[in-house]
Order: sequence, then structure tokens, then C-alpha cells
Amino acid sequence: GAGVSQSPRYKVAKRGQDVALRCDPISGHVSLFWYQQALGQGPEFLTYFQNEAQLDKSGLPSDRFFAERPEGSVSTLKIQRTQQEDSAVYLCASSGLVSGTDTQYFGPGTRLTVL
Amino acid sequence: GQQLNQSPQSMFIQEGEDVSMNCTSSSIFNTWLWYKQDPGEGPVLLIALYKAGELTSNGRLTAQFGITRKDSFLNISASIPSDVGIYFCAGQLDRDDKIIFGKGTRLHILP
Repeated sequence: GAGVSQSPRYKVAKRGQDVALRCDPISGHVSLFWYQQALGQGPEFLTYFQNEAQLDKSGLPSDRFFAERPEGSVSTLKIQRTQQEDSAVYLCASSGLVSGTDTQYFGPGTRLTVL
Repeated sequence: GQQLNQSPQSMFIQEGEDVSMNCTSSSIFNTWLWYKQDPGEGPVLLIALYKAGELTSNGRLTAQFGITRKDSFLNISASIPSDVGIYFCAGQLDRDDKIIFGKGTRLHILP
């Protein structure tokens, strides 16, 4: 596709439910990042993949958060036993340093609301 | 961890006015970035700065990478209605590294 796509765009979950958020990066991009953006704040880093390898997960707020990118393309961010403080917009970004550009292109985000 | 202090938090200006916003950091970055985010969308890169002292323009936008590597500013000249949005400064230690974002400057243009 032309840009980074994310699905669903909106997700409402009851506290305690598990959710899975999907990111389709720009075709051929090696690097993939997940960020969390709370209301009125700037995005904050969660985790980073280079191809299928998760090289940095230092930003994941708890062990309820898990991300994967098994084939080095599509990535899924999973949140188990959601809590109200998980409500935020989850942004995915991809870049292709190996192909010559390190600009991170962001998707539109998934807005998660935990009731 | 590294933090970015971005100011002002919000601005209300008349169409046609020039705008200036800045960002300071508690530690050094090797890359400074300026993004714009519209409602319901992800941030879009406006300008990237890679060298201390660098001054870069993109149309009506001008940004500078501070000599100390701990600050940057963004100027917008002759603002137009589509400039409305949230502007984020951001820094990276290395290319293809995670991005550290400021809290944003919300730009409003008065009719």
C-alpha cells in the first residue's frame, strides 16, 4: 500500500478484555515502531522491530503488553486484561533504513477506549 | 529518561501572522525532528535536522538545530488556515532509533 495502515481504527473494550491491534507497514520497510499517545500528550515509544526481531521493548508499560512481527511485515500489538489507563491512541510507524530512508512514516493510529 | 520541553503549549494567532515555537532537552540529541498531527491522523514529518547549527527550510517552515544539540526551534511564516494542528518537536539519538516527542504546541488561527 501507499502508506502505513492500522486496524481497527477504533476499539472499545471492557476492562479485563484482551485486544489485538494490527499494523501493516509500508511494503519493504525493515523497521517498525509502536508508540502510545495519551490524550493531550506526545507519542511515547513502546517497542521496535527490525524485520522479525524485536530489538527494543523497553517502552512496554507492563507484561500485559506484547508485540510480534513473525514474518517481518505485519505486526500485532496485544494487550491482555485491559485496564482503563490503557486508553490511548496506539500509533505504528515504519521506516526503511536499509533501503535508504530512515524517516518514520506513521499510520493513523488505533484509538482504544477501555470502559 | 530524556525529556523534551516544548513551548508554548498553545497559540492563538491571526491568519497571516508568523509563528515561532521551540523545544529544549535535558540531554543531547543527534537528530531533531518537527512533526505536525491533524485530528484523527498520525504525525507527519515536516523537517528533519541532522547537524548542530543546521538551518533548514521547507516552504514557509524554517527550523534550526541548536549548537548545543539540546534545543531546536520552528518558525512558520505567513500562517494560513491549514496550518492549524498540533506541532511536535522530537529527537533521536541515532538514525532509525526510537523518537522522543515533546508534548506539542497547539496552533489555532482566529477567523
